[in-house]
Amino acid sequence: DPKIIQKPKYLVAVTGSEKILICEQYLGHNAMYWYRQSAKKPLEFMFSYSYQKLMDNQTASSRFQPQSSKKNHLDLQITALKPDDSATYFCASSQDNTQNTLYFGAGTRLSVL
Amino acid sequence: QEKVQQSPESLIVPEGAMSSLNCTFSNSASQSIWWYQQHPGKGPEALISIFSNGNKKEGRLTVYLNRASLHVSLHIRDSQPSDSAVYLCAVSRETGNTGKLIFGLGTTLQVQP
Repeated sequence: DPKIIQKPKYLVAVTGSEKILICEQYLGHNAMYWYRQSAKKPLEFMFSYSYQKLMDNQTASSRFQPQSSKKNHLDLQITALKPDDSATYFCASSQDNTQNTLYFGAGTRLSVL
Repeated sequence: QEKVQQSPESLIVPEGAMSSLNCTFSNSASQSIWWYQQHPGKGPEALISIFSNGNKKEGRLTVYLNRASLHVSLHIRDSQPSDSAVYLCAVSRETGNTGKLIFGLGTTLQVQP
């Protein structure tokens, strides 16, 4: 059974709309992350949370807002979607925010038309 | 801004051969270096990490780190068709970091039966 659940697996949206990407982890980890993988680009760090507190934000745009309602949840709200936002978004977790192994979910593939 | 470059872009080896993948990074102060494996449609999965200069062996995997030359390599002994995947090199930025990893673009490995 997957220990990090991302929903949905595929998502198609129209330009200007808003979507929420869901992530839940059942590894008992205290740190969670969002990464983005676009075509021809390396996997890119977006956010990190530790004990539900934002630790680092490397996204330039406020259109991307993480939401942590519970320790094992870290959703990603994206507003005013643009075609450039098309990518696969990966949620990950680790025991804590120090030098630990990251465990990744299977990703949500977002296409913005 | 830390950069991670991987070579070759793609590699084809026969079953049973040694596969050798390379990674260079731009900051000698980078902490741990990680290798992740990513199969199509899946999230990356951690394989092995190294912190100290020298080598580290786990099963069929050996990783060599040379901080002076900013170079790390991954060697897969007795390569199997199931090893066919994209291999990502990643570096962590600083001690007590926020869990941010900087990834390279990856090497696509194909092991032919």
